[in-house]
Amino acid sequence: SQKIEQNSEALNIQEGKTATLTCNYTNYSPAYLQWYRQDPGRGPVFLLLIRENEKEKRKERLKVTFDTTLKQSLFHITASQPADSATYLCALAQGGSQGNLIFGKGTKLSVKP
Amino acid sequence: GAVVSQHPSRVICKSGTSVKIECRSLDFQATTMFWYRQFPKQSLMLMATSNEGSKATYEQGVEKDKFLINHASLTLSTLTVTSAHPEDSSFYICSALSGGSGDGYTFGSGTRLTVV
Repeated sequence: SQKIEQNSEALNIQEGKTATLTCNYTNYSPAYLQWYRQDPGRGPVFLLLIRENEKEKRKERLKVTFDTTLKQSLFHITASQPADSATYLCALAQGGSQGNLIFGKGTKLSVKP
Repeated sequence: GAVVSQHPSRVICKSGTSVKIECRSLDFQATTMFWYRQFPKQSLMLMATSNEGSKATYEQGVEKDKFLINHASLTLSTLTVTSAHPEDSSFYICSALSGGSGDGYTFGSGTRLTVV
């Protein structure tokens, strides 16, 4: 069966360190993978999209890698800040570029000052 | 950037009544919108795909007669929870694709439904 797994339910790190979140999937061949941030009681906010032919993408302090052989994406936040504390979701699109999204359960990141 | 407005943000209703949730794309047209449900500490689960001018496509296990979806215009989709029961209490979120596939999806702020 198809699965998206975010291995850590929660991750606690110290301010200034790099946070690394993992997303693994099975039985998918996604054209691209997306990462979202969700704060409590709010809808997800789009952060980054990486295509199957891209190995790495960066946006400010964020970096995403995509290994289609390992079926894994890593999401990094460098120089983390307490304001980065939130739940981070990875998502794959079903049905091609306009398909609906299937989400992982998310990793709750807490950055301590 | 693209904005999806969702109302209400919170609603409490009595068991057996119906509740309507609105999802509007404010600065773009959305031929397709998606409705999700999220239980505490769980992933967003897709309920249905709402298509402008046609019937919604429901995911397996989602009762189409209970969760009525109407997408009458390019900027508005509504989800009506009919004959609500306490087990329908959840966080409902809509989303739309504002641009190409490289832009990600824009989500509403969600509706917390509590059925008492």
